[in-house]
Amino acid sequence: AQKVTQAQTEISVVEKEDVTLDCVYETRDTTYYLFWYKQPPSGELVFLIRRNSFDEQNEISGRYSWNFQKSTSSFNFTITASQVVDSAVYFCALSLFSGGYNKLIFGAGTRLAVHP
Amino acid sequence: DVKVTQSSRYLVKRTGEKVFLECVQDMDHENMFWYRQDPGLGLRLIYFSYDVKMKEKGDIPEGYSVSREKKERFSLILESASTNQTSMYLCASSLQSWSTEAFFGQGTRLTVV
Repeated sequence: AQKVTQAQTEISVVEKEDVTLDCVYETRDTTYYLFWYKQPPSGELVFLIRRNSFDEQNEISGRYSWNFQKSTSSFNFTITASQVVDSAVYFCALSLFSGGYNKLIFGAGTRLAVHP
Repeated sequence: DVKVTQSSRYLVKRTGEKVFLECVQDMDHENMFWYRQDPGLGLRLIYFSYDVKMKEKGDIPEGYSVSREKKERFSLILESASTNQTSMYLCASSLQSWSTEAFFGQGTRLTVV
């Protein structure tokens, strides 16, 4: 089965708190890519990061960081010192090459609300 | 900047109508996708196309069809709209390589009454 699970439906934090969004994926493929996208209230999904299955290095970009652990099939996303502008729905996605085609599978999303 | 443009932001249609949702991308991408977004269900793939006139069913193709006559344009068609097709529809495009990110349009919120 190929699946992405984002168990947290909604998270509410106060500005400047750190917050971690969880993502667990399932696949039997050994080669795949993982993505995080942000969907602000305007509706358009915005790409945040891509990670391939052979690269388990964590990544930091400003206040954002990602922790990829193949052993637990997780690709978690942490926002440090959250800001109101971080309020959005965040999606984790799994990209596979299956049946001759590229398949992009999304999780259900986590709605993050950052309050002043 | 890559741009994916969906023809309408909001649409209201009556049950039984034939509905066309249009999507245009300007980056010469081979792949184009139509997703449906519903609360708690994330994005579900309806159809995708990897080349002109080529299409493949996604996870929930029933009640929908697609058309790709030109590389830059991918249309989603609801042959006979029903109330359970009320949803947010998102179009996306990407290069042929499966390792590249997809670029999304702003979405069309369709209400079928």
